[in-house]
Amino acid sequence: DGGITQSPKYLFRKEGQNVTLSCEQNLNHDAMYWYRQDPGQGLRLIYYSQIVNDFQKGDIAEGYSVSREKKESFPLTVTSAQKNPTAFYLCASSKRGYNEQFFGPGTRLTVL
Amino acid sequence: RKEVEQDPGPFNVPEGATVAFNCTYSNSASQSFFWYRQDCRKEPKLLMSVYSSGNEDGRFTAQLNRASQYISLLIRDSKLSDSATYLCVVNRFSGGYNKLIFGAGTRLAVHP
Repeated sequence: DGGITQSPKYLFRKEGQNVTLSCEQNLNHDAMYWYRQDPGQGLRLIYYSQIVNDFQKGDIAEGYSVSREKKESFPLTVTSAQKNPTAFYLCASSKRGYNEQFFGPGTRLTVL
Repeated sequence: RKEVEQDPGPFNVPEGATVAFNCTYSNSASQSFFWYRQDCRKEPKLLMSVYSSGNEDGRFTAQLNRASQYISLLIRDSKLSDSATYLCVVNRFSGGYNKLIFGAGTRLAVHP
């Protein structure tokens, strides 16, 4: 089955630790995205990548980093510089030139 | 002012009712519009795209009014399974790339 997978589903970390969230897709989509969702708020774009080895900052990139070494993979690192990292993180992908985005199941990150 | 605004609800309706959600957007240059559905603690899923001429998919009808920068979603004959949060989404072209902007969502609760 084609789709987007994110792991882990739940993640707990101590304050000050970096953590990497995984996102893999087998839809052959060129574009991939990372969003953050907080209670009662819309999804906010962290980073996006239109093609391998290229990515751009979204609206709230501070304290996050990404890489896009393979078409299928777009991992997100939440660094210790992110002041309020506890949130629901969603990865999405789309065909290049198309606006419809398809989402993975998300990772709930809790920083203790 | 938020770029995409929705009434947060909740809308509490009985099964079989007709319910309408509204959404306004501020960027007059937006060209693509969508409704996504998000179940509690799950990822958003594309419900339907919204076209200028309006479009219908079974019990769901979406309308777009570009002059008023207003989008609507009508659900007829509500089912218990329609209970979810409905996200209004518009695109924004920025820095040479197309991005999606998500509203905070309208919550619908259908009761027996």
